[in-house]
Amino acid sequence: NAGVTQTPKFQVLKTGQSMTLQCAQDMNHNSMYWYRQDPGMGLRLIYYSASEGTTDKGEVPNGYNVSRLNKREFSLRLESAAPSQTSVYFCASSEELGTGPLHFGNGTRLTVT
Amino acid sequence: AQTVTQSQPEMSVQEAETVTLSCTYDTSESDYYLFWYKQPPSRQMILVIRQEAYKQQNATENRFSVNFQKAAKSFSLKISDSQLGDAAMYFCAFSLQGGSEKLVFGKGTKLTVNP
Repeated sequence: NAGVTQTPKFQVLKTGQSMTLQCAQDMNHNSMYWYRQDPGMGLRLIYYSASEGTTDKGEVPNGYNVSRLNKREFSLRLESAAPSQTSVYFCASSEELGTGPLHFGNGTRLTVT
Repeated sequence: AQTVTQSQPEMSVQEAETVTLSCTYDTSESDYYLFWYKQPPSRQMILVIRQEAYKQQNATENRFSVNFQKAAKSFSLKISDSQLGDAAMYFCAFSLQGGSEKLVFGKGTKLTVNP
């Protein structure tokens, strides 16, 4: 079982560069999420998608965009990376919004210089 | 808005002993879910245990159990017979029932297990 697959695992960007983090799940889950994890801050929700075709902002959406490409895939895009976006990014999925549990990918460590 | 507070940034326990991690939350709702997630150094987030608020019985999973005090809005995790592999960050999380909300996480507790 692959579960939730995130790519890439590591990335270094220069300030102003753009990139897309990819996420795919094979559990036929309806809901998908992007979180960022910073030291001392825990996990904070960036964007989520309750179901295919819908996306909504979470706690810290500024500087990010998302696309729910289909039921399996949910991508996160940084249009113009900033050092404040240096973080570990987690994609997660769940059967339905709110009922949990979340199934997480292995994370992407992003450094913006 | 819902909040989750973990008041212990770090905890330590001797191997084979018992440790309790604290979590409190704030909500005006009556139906919700509570979770404990474990994050070992590998970075993978792993569900440890889940509790539905409408259930009075505390959830248990092998050596892991919770003390759910709904009136006090408290949800502590007890790890019995601690093992070296239990060393990790532990996150408490909350979500509302009904599909309109998403998980809110506490800031985590780092657990060290001493041999």
